[in-house]
Amino acid sequence: AQSVTQPDIHITVSEGASLELRCNYSYGATPYLFWYVQSPGQGLQLLLKYFSGDTLVQGIKGFEAEFKRSQSSFNLRKPSVHWSDAAEYFCAVGAFNFGNEKLTFGTGTRLTIIP
Amino acid sequence: DSGVTQTPKHLITATGQRVTLRCSPRSGDLSVYWYQQSLDQGLQFLIQYYNGEERAKGNILERFSAQQFPDLHSELNLSSLELGDSALYFCASSVLVLAGYNEQFFGPGTRLTVL
Repeated sequence: AQSVTQPDIHITVSEGASLELRCNYSYGATPYLFWYVQSPGQGLQLLLKYFSGDTLVQGIKGFEAEFKRSQSSFNLRKPSVHWSDAAEYFCAVGAFNFGNEKLTFGTGTRLTIIP
Repeated sequence: DSGVTQTPKHLITATGQRVTLRCSPRSGDLSVYWYQQSLDQGLQFLIQYYNGEERAKGNILERFSAQQFPDLHSELNLSSLELGDSALYFCASSVLVLAGYNEQFFGPGTRLTVL
């Protein structure tokens, strides 16, 4: 069974500082990996995705993530955060096998930005 | 705007009652997924329909049921509601092919409060 671990429940960073959100996954085959962002009271917006090819993927809003198979990780990074990045971030893994297309989400990391 | 619509946006009801949540997928998407986001369980997959037929089931309670209609909209029925059913319920849709990546587009969610 697939699973996702986000070890950091809450992270606080200063505006302009760099950011790294951790994600570890468990899945038997090559996973499809995603990062979603949820602003307060809002739905889920896809930031970026990985399913093959270059292990460093670029997303929207200046985010990037790196897939490391050896570490079963897919960490999200941003070189300089903005106050508008304050939100909850979810890492997810998808199997996309026939009859099993669900997403399995981590518990999320809440990001607070301080001026 | 993902193109997935959900109604109502908010729903407040009492324990023991029954409610219906509605989802309209993006134009052309045949597959609909339901997810529940609660404080104690996080974001978890409930059920998936494809072109009117149930395709996969997750941690969905027996008190909950869903269906997808010929026009592809879907309804999630929650009955004998308990306080613990209070959550944000998301619908997502995708174009489903037999294998491979199918991006899921999420609706804004329905917030259910059971008093």
